[in-house]
Amino acid sequence: GDSVTQMEGPVTLSEEAFLTINCTYTATGYPSLFWYVQYPGEGLQLLLKATKADDKGSNKGFEATYRKETTSFHLEKGSVQVSDSAVYFCALGYTGRRALTFGSGTRLQVQP
Amino acid sequence: SQTIHQWPATLVQPVGSPLSLECTVEGTSNPNLYWYRQAAGRGLQLLFYSVGIGQISSEVPQNLSASRPQDRQFILSSKKLLLSDSGFYLCAWTITGGTDTQYFGPGTRLTVL
Repeated sequence: GDSVTQMEGPVTLSEEAFLTINCTYTATGYPSLFWYVQYPGEGLQLLLKATKADDKGSNKGFEATYRKETTSFHLEKGSVQVSDSAVYFCALGYTGRRALTFGSGTRLQVQP
Repeated sequence: SQTIHQWPATLVQPVGSPLSLECTVEGTSNPNLYWYRQAAGRGLQLLFYSVGIGQISSEVPQNLSASRPQDRQFILSSKKLLLSDSGFYLCAWTITGGTDTQYFGPGTRLTVL
C-alpha cells in the first residue's frame, strides 16, 4: 500500500536559517504530492502541491520538487521566520480516490 | 469561493455522554466529505468519507458514526464517548471526481474526561 514517511521533529531553527523537512513516499501508482501546514489550534492549510515527476510546487517562499527517482518530496525554505512555526504534513493522493495518505507531521519551531 | 465550517470549536464531555459534531461546506455542490481524527502529537487518521447524501464509508471500526443528511452537511456522532475518543477532529472536502486536493475546516478539539 501507499505510505508517507517524514523526518522526526521537532526541528528547531533560528530566524533566517535554511529549512529542509524530508519526506519520502511509497506508492502503488502515480500520485500527486502535497505539503500541508497546521498552525497551533487550527486546521490544515494546503501549502503547495505537485502533480507529476519533476514538478516543483511553491508558495510563500516554500518549495518542494517531486522526485520520482528518489521517491521524495522534501520541503525547503531559504529563510524561515518565527511565523513559520507550525506542524508540516506531507501527503499523497490520487484524483478520484477516497482520501489522502498523510505522514505523521514534523513540528517546526523558529526562534527569534 | 468555497468555505468550510465546523462547530463547536472546542468541547469537553464526560465519558459515556453522546456526541454530535457538525461540518458544513459553502460555495460548492456535491462535494466529497471526510472526517479525520488527529490524536495529540500524531498524524491524521481517516474515520469516514462520503460521496453523496446518505452514502457513508467507514475506515476504522469504532464507536463513532457519521451521517450526511444534506449535500453540504456532514455530522460525526457517538452514543457513548470513550476516553480514547479525545482528539482534534477535522472535516475536509474535495470536488467530486476532480482534483485530489482536500481542503480542511478549522477543526473541533474534543476532550473526554
